[in-house]
Amino acid sequence: EVQLVESGGGLVQPGGSLRLSCAASGFTFSSYWIYWVRQAPGKGLVWVSHINSDGSTTRYADSVKGRFTISRDNAKNTLYLQMNSLSAEDTAVYYCARVMVVANALDIWGPGTMVTVSS
Amino acid sequence: QSVVTQPPSASGTPGQRVTISCSGSSSNIRSNPVNWYQQVPGTAPKLLMHSSNQRPSGVPDRFSGSKSGTSASLAISGVQSEDEADYYCATWDDRLNGPVFGGGTKLTVL
Repeated sequence: EVQLVESGGGLVQPGGSLRLSCAASGFTFSSYWIYWVRQAPGKGLVWVSHINSDGSTTRYADSVKGRFTISRDNAKNTLYLQMNSLSAEDTAVYYCARVMVVANALDIWGPGTMVTVSS
Repeated sequence: QSVVTQPPSASGTPGQRVTISCSGSSSNIRSNPVNWYQQVPGTAPKLLMHSSNQRPSGVPDRFSGSKSGTSASLAISGVQSEDEADYYCATWDDRLNGPVFGGGTKLTVL
C-alpha cells in the first residue's frame, strides 16, 4: 500500500525545537518531490516547504524561512522537518504529501502529526 | 489571507448541483493548473481533481472541474450527504514562486 506516515509531533515550549519525520512505503520514494503542509486548528491548509526528489532543491514559506529545515534520506525512505524557534503561530497539524508528476498535485497524504507550541 | 479566494461556505440539498468557486489572478490560476482537495473534518485532505478538470481514479464522476481566466470551479452534480466536507483549491503562484491554497469552502448538505 502506498502511504506516508508522519511522526514526531507533540507539545513544545515557545522557542523550542522539534523534528518531524515522514516515513514512506509502497512506492519509489526517491522519485518524488514531497511537501510539508500545515493546518492550524480550525483553519485552512498552508504550504510550509517542499523538497525535490534528490534533496538538492528546497523551498520554504516566508513564515518559516530561517527557522525550519526540510531534508530527506532516500536510503531510509524518510522525509524530515527540523523546526526551531517555535512560536504559538506554528501550532498546527503537519502533513507530508507526495507530489504527482503533473500539475503539482498532492496525491498521497499522511494522516498528519499535531504540533502544539505552548508554555 | 490567501492570494486565491474561495467562499467560506456552500450548501445544497441531496441531488442538487453545487458549485464552489476559486478566484485568483494572472500570476496563479490564469497561468497554472488548479487542483482541488476534499477534507472531511478530522482526516487528511484527499486529492479530488488535478490539472483543473482531471479526476483521479476512484473519484465519482459527479465531481467535475473547470477553469476560465483567473477563476476555477468545482461542481458536484447530484450532491450526496457523504460529500459534506471542506474543499480547497490550490495552484502555483508565479509571483510568489510557490504553491498557494484557497481558504477553503465548507460544504453543508441540508
